[in-house]
Amino acid sequence: EAGVVQSPRYKIIEKKQPVAFWCNPISGHNTLYWYRQNLGQGPELLIRYENEEAVDDSQLPKDRFSAERLKGVDSTLKIQPAELGDSAVYLCASSPGQGSGELFFGEGSRLTVL
Amino acid sequence: DQQVKQNSPSLSVQEGRISILNCDYTNSMFDYFLWYKKYPAEGPTFLISISSIKDKNEDGRFTVFLNKSAKHLSLHIVPSQPGDSAVYFCAAMNGGSQGNLIFGKGTKLSVKP
Repeated sequence: EAGVVQSPRYKIIEKKQPVAFWCNPISGHNTLYWYRQNLGQGPELLIRYENEEAVDDSQLPKDRFSAERLKGVDSTLKIQPAELGDSAVYLCASSPGQGSGELFFGEGSRLTVL
Repeated sequence: DQQVKQNSPSLSVQEGRISILNCDYTNSMFDYFLWYKKYPAEGPTFLISISSIKDKNEDGRFTVFLNKSAKHLSLHIVPSQPGDSAVYFCAAMNGGSQGNLIFGKGTKLSVKP
């Protein structure tokens, strides 16, 4: 069974440029998460989807970040414009249902903003 | 304010010995705890979990202990193997309210042959 797929693995951009990350969760997993992991820190939740509905986006900086999960399957996270402090690894995870805490993570997308 | 704390950034252990990784939490509403393991350039993978109604859960070489009164949990790895060298994240959630996972900063374990 295929795991969570993310792309791109690495992205280097200059500040003020836009960037987008894509995630395809494990088939049949209704819950999808975007996390951000800064260097030396644990993952921090940005947004959680139940199917196509964003049920928790309280930690998403909405002035520059946006996300969508059309049709309740794959998802895109966008940053526009990027700032130096956005340099981090963006992790996508999925789970079959809410409540277990057992998330399946992708390999992450490492963003460097120059 | 960190709700899940891993105060040891790193731990070095000899192969075959016991590794003990510690985690403290502040939110008394947490009722489900997990450990994740992360290798470089990979995403975290689930390792073991424990519900607040238990004080111990064992899975092969890995055992998690929970002390609710002290708001403390620990992960024991016995015997430690070089392949266990990774960053270990403690995570907690309020399962009853279907809350989100809150992660600690991680502890980097190095198991030396």
